Amino acid sequence: DGGITQSPKYLFRKEGQNVTLSCEQNLNHDAMYWYRQDPGQGLRLIYYSQIVNDFQKGDIAEGYSVSREKKESFPLTVTSAQKNPTAFYLCASSIASGRGSYNEQFFGPGTRLTVL
Amino acid sequence: LAKTTQPISMDSYEGQEVNITCSHNNIATNDYITWYQQFPSQGPRFIIQGYKTKVTNEVASLFIPADRKSSTLSLPRVSLSDTAVYYCLAPQGSARQLTFGSGTQLTVLP
Repeated sequence: DGGITQSPKYLFRKEGQNVTLSCEQNLNHDAMYWYRQDPGQGLRLIYYSQIVNDFQKGDIAEGYSVSREKKESFPLTVTSAQKNPTAFYLCASSIASGRGSYNEQFFGPGTRLTVL
Repeated sequence: LAKTTQPISMDSYEGQEVNITCSHNNIATNDYITWYQQFPSQGPRFIIQGYKTKVTNEVASLFIPADRKSSTLSLPRVSLSDTAVYYCLAPQGSARQLTFGSGTQLTVLP
C-alpha cells in the first residue's frame, strides 16, 4: 500500500528545543517537500529536494534544516532559531519536476507542532 | 512570475454547480494550471490539471480560455462534503515550483 507517512501526528516541545519531524514515502518519488501552514493561511514552502543528497531552500527556510540521505526519507528539524515554530507541518512527494508540466504532489497527514 | 489570484471565500447550496475562477496573468507558455482541495487538518489533495480548453475528470472540470490568463474550476452538484479550501496553482520561479496561496474557502450550505 503506497503512500507518504508523517510522524507523530501531534508533537509538543518546550521553547528552545530542537525537534525533528519524520517524513517517509514508498512511492518511489524523487522529489520531496516540506510546507508549513498557519491557521487560516495557505501552505508555505520550507525546503524541497529533487534528488537524494540535494535540497534547496523554499520561501521560509530560516530556522529549519533538512537532510536527504535516502530517497524514501526527508526529515525536517525545527531548530531553536525558528521564532514561531507552532504550526501544522506537511510533507509531500512527487515525480521529478518537469518544466512547468505535471507535478502532482502527494501529501502526508501532517504533524501539528506546538511549542510551549 | 505566474502569481495566482482567486476569491477568498464562496458560499453555495447543496446540488448547485460551483465555479471558482483564478487569474494568472503571467503564466508561462509551457505551464499547466493545477487545482488542489484541502480539508481541515489534512494535506491538500490533487483535483485536476490542465493546459488549455477543457479538462474533465470524475470530480471536476477545468476551463482555460485561449489567452490562458485565467482558469475556472467547476464542481457539479456540490454536497456538504465539498466544503473545503480550493487552491489554484501555477509553477513559479526558475525551479518551476508550485506555490500555494491562501486559496478559496468554499462553504456548501444545506
